[in-house]
Amino acid sequence: DQQVKQNSPSLSVQEGRISILNCDYTNSMFDYFLWYKKYPAEGPTFLISISSIKDKNEDGRFTVFLNKSAKHLSLHIVPSQPGDSAVYFCAASKTNSGYALNFGKGTSLLVTP
Amino acid sequence: DTEVTQTPKHLVMGMTNKKSLKCEQHMGHRAMYWYKQKAKKPPELMFVYSYEKLSINESVPSRFSPECPNSSLLNLHLHALQPEDSALYLCASSQDPGQFGGQPQHFGDGTRLSIL
Repeated sequence: DQQVKQNSPSLSVQEGRISILNCDYTNSMFDYFLWYKKYPAEGPTFLISISSIKDKNEDGRFTVFLNKSAKHLSLHIVPSQPGDSAVYFCAASKTNSGYALNFGKGTSLLVTP
Repeated sequence: DTEVTQTPKHLVMGMTNKKSLKCEQHMGHRAMYWYKQKAKKPPELMFVYSYEKLSINESVPSRFSPECPNSSLLNLHLHALQPEDSALYLCASSQDPGQFGGQPQHFGDGTRLSIL
């Protein structure tokens, strides 16, 4: 049962434009959300996270937005760069019940020059 | 450079072999994890160690045996694996979420395992 869903397998964006990656979740007990970036032949790299007590968190070019009522989060990358081309995974966890990260299936982002 | 180091990067073994995967971190993290990732799929949690004690086993077959010798090291011992066990095995570590709340997990680059 997929509790974290990324419904867009791929996204193509021009360099300099905004990339918006979306993620939906079904479990209302999730209270901590993360985005990871993964290049081929490497492990996932942590990008940014957000707690359910916030609705926005920003780190440089990366901003994560959380809409708890819609059970939806998104990652905005501005401006997009060719080096951002990778697979992006959304993940969620329930901090009061331990450690497991529930991952979405990923979105492959291609930033073209 | 990843701060979680996994060895070997690649491993090919027969179904009767015994081998071990190793993971090391020096970030002072007290929670360590093993994940399995099949092609085109997200990582799936296998085991969690917290303060060197096994705290989660996600119903993993006994042919996979984890071990945490100390707070920096995590091993995964493999014996009598099946071809369907071929996958990327990822190790991760984090601060203890039980103590600090939501914490990001930091991943190694994985071991690509092929079972013949």
